[in-house]
Amino acid sequence: EAGVAQSPRYKIIEKRQSVAFWCNPISGHATLYWYQQILGQGPKLLIQFQNNGVVDDSQLPKDRFSAERLKGVDSTLKIQPAKLEDSAVYLCASSLSRDRPYEQYFGPGTRLTVT
Amino acid sequence: QKEVEQNSGPLSVPEGAIASLNCTYSDQGSQSFFWYRQYSGKSPELIMFIYSNGDKEDGRFTAQLNKASQYVSLLIRDSQPSDSATYLCAVADSGGYQKVTFGTGTKLQVIP
Repeated sequence: EAGVAQSPRYKIIEKRQSVAFWCNPISGHATLYWYQQILGQGPKLLIQFQNNGVVDDSQLPKDRFSAERLKGVDSTLKIQPAKLEDSAVYLCASSLSRDRPYEQYFGPGTRLTVT
Repeated sequence: QKEVEQNSGPLSVPEGAIASLNCTYSDQGSQSFFWYRQYSGKSPELIMFIYSNGDKEDGRFTAQLNKASQYVSLLIRDSQPSDSATYLCAVADSGGYQKVTFGTGTKLQVIP
């Protein structure tokens, strides 16, 4: 079974530029999560999708971050414009269903550096 | 704001010893508790989950839960250098979609 795929793996941009990350979850997984992990901290949930609907985006900075999950499969997370404090690893995870959070599988992450 | 607190460490233990990792949480309604291991530069991977008060054992790992004290712990017996990693405590609430909140993690170093 293929794991969660993410791209790119690394990205360096200047502040005020825009960037987009892509995630392909495990086949059949209805729930998809985007986390931000700043160095030395635990992952922070940015947004959670159930199929193609958003169930939690309370910690998503909506003035600059956006995410979509078209057709309930792939997802993209966008930052526009980026700030220095957005430097972090962006992790995508998926699970079979929303009521089985112990089955979250993480992708390799995208390391973003904003200069 | 729901909080999950861990000592950042590093916690250093000699090879073969028992490593004890602790976590407290603020939301009394929390229902599910998880321990993830994260090697440097890698993604978190789930190693244990526990729902009920008491102990749950899986190989060299034992998770302990005390809901009255809002306390979760992870014991690693016969610690090996390969156990050196950051251990993240995570807590899911009782909501319909069980939002997971992670702690900051404890860095464990097993000294050969």
